[in-house]
Amino acid sequence: EVQLVESGGGLVQPGRSMKLSCAASGFTFSNYGMAWVRQAPTKGLEWVATISYDGSSTYYRDSVKGRFTISRDNAKSTLYLQMNSLRSEDTATYYCTRGILGDYWGQGVMVTVSS
Amino acid sequence: DIQMTQSPASLSASLEEIVTITCQASQDIGNWLSWYQQKPGKSPQLLIYGATSLADGVPSRFSGSRSGTQYSLKISRLQVEDIGIYYCLQAYSAPYTFGAGTKLELK
Repeated sequence: EVQLVESGGGLVQPGRSMKLSCAASGFTFSNYGMAWVRQAPTKGLEWVATISYDGSSTYYRDSVKGRFTISRDNAKSTLYLQMNSLRSEDTATYYCTRGILGDYWGQGVMVTVSS
Repeated sequence: DIQMTQSPASLSASLEEIVTITCQASQDIGNWLSWYQQKPGKSPQLLIYGATSLADGVPSRFSGSRSGTQYSLKISRLQVEDIGIYYCLQAYSAPYTFGAGTKLELK
């Protein structure tokens, strides 16, 4: 059974950093690109970043470029999102998804940026 | 950036009714269009990929179609469990973009 389990969220002050993790199981992690998608409270879905299966290619939405870094450890079957210089508008539930299609999603982890 | 204009924003329909949701892409995206369903308090679930292919485990009453740069999701006979918010996603080129969502309610 495919499982994606996010962790690392919580309350953080503006300008500070936070790192999210997504532990994958039930499939060969190193064969799939992965992505982060977020959803602000009561809002729609917003793609954040994508990483290729081997980590050699990464893509970001403009609003997080230079602040967020997506990475992966294929030996640990884990996806990461390092978030720096956080802003109030980054407050959202962050989902880890498999592949460009998002055929599997994690349960999501809440990140609240507030003083 | 490619814009995805989704309509309607909300929709009220009766059980067994046919429901259609559309997404208009601002430029050609080929078949790089997916549809997702999100139930309250839950993670989104993939319904359709490649514009017309049904994801594993998705009931056959769901179908996707394409006409040029307009994409449609059709529910042939609405069931209670279909209530939720539906989103389209273009994955043709980054930044990948979702439609604004369609909230589907029971009449």
